[in-house]
Amino acid sequence: DQQVKQNSPSLSVQEGRISILNCDYTNSMFDYFLWYKKYPAEGPTFLISISSIKDKNEDGRFTVFLNKSAKHLSLHIVPSQPGDSAVYFCAASLTGNQFYFGTGTSLTVIP
Amino acid sequence: KAGVTQTPRYLIKTRGQQVTLSCSPISGHRSVSWYQQTPGQGLQFLFEYFSETQRNKGNFPGRFSGRQFSNSRSEMNVSTLELGDSALYLCASSKLAGTPHNEQFFGPGTRLTVL
Repeated sequence: DQQVKQNSPSLSVQEGRISILNCDYTNSMFDYFLWYKKYPAEGPTFLISISSIKDKNEDGRFTVFLNKSAKHLSLHIVPSQPGDSAVYFCAASLTGNQFYFGTGTSLTVIP
Repeated sequence: KAGVTQTPRYLIKTRGQQVTLSCSPISGHRSVSWYQQTPGQGLQFLFEYFSETQRNKGNFPGRFSGRQFSNSRSEMNVSTLELGDSALYLCASSKLAGTPHNEQFFGPGTRLTVL
């Protein structure tokens, strides 16, 4: 049973435009959410996180939005750069170190 | 600071065999988690170890087991391999366990192919 879902397997965006990656979850008890970025042949690297007590967290070009009532999470990348091309995973946590990951969205930023 | 290392990076086995994968966490990290990544399934949590004790376990059959040593290095074992076990196995380490939301640092993974 997939508790965290990323319904778009892929996304293409022009360089300089906004990339919006979406994530939905089913368990209302999740209290912490993260985004990871993964390049081929490498492990995922942490990008940004948000606690369930917040609805927005920003770090440079990356902003994560949380809509608890809709059980929806999104990652905005502005402006998008070719180096952002990677697979992005969202993850949710109930307890300290047990994370539930989505299936990933492959982002391609076209120069 | 060295990152999380996993050995071997690639492995080919046949059905029915068993396999052991190794993970060395970042120095000072005491928690090690294992994940299975397959196309269309994302990362599925296998288990987490802290101070040589399994703290959390995902929904995988008993053929999947693990252990952690006193130096925090961890091994994962899969017995009686099946074709569906072909996947990328990722290990992640973090400083602590049981405290909220420690950042996990992932290794590059071991690509297991079962023929």
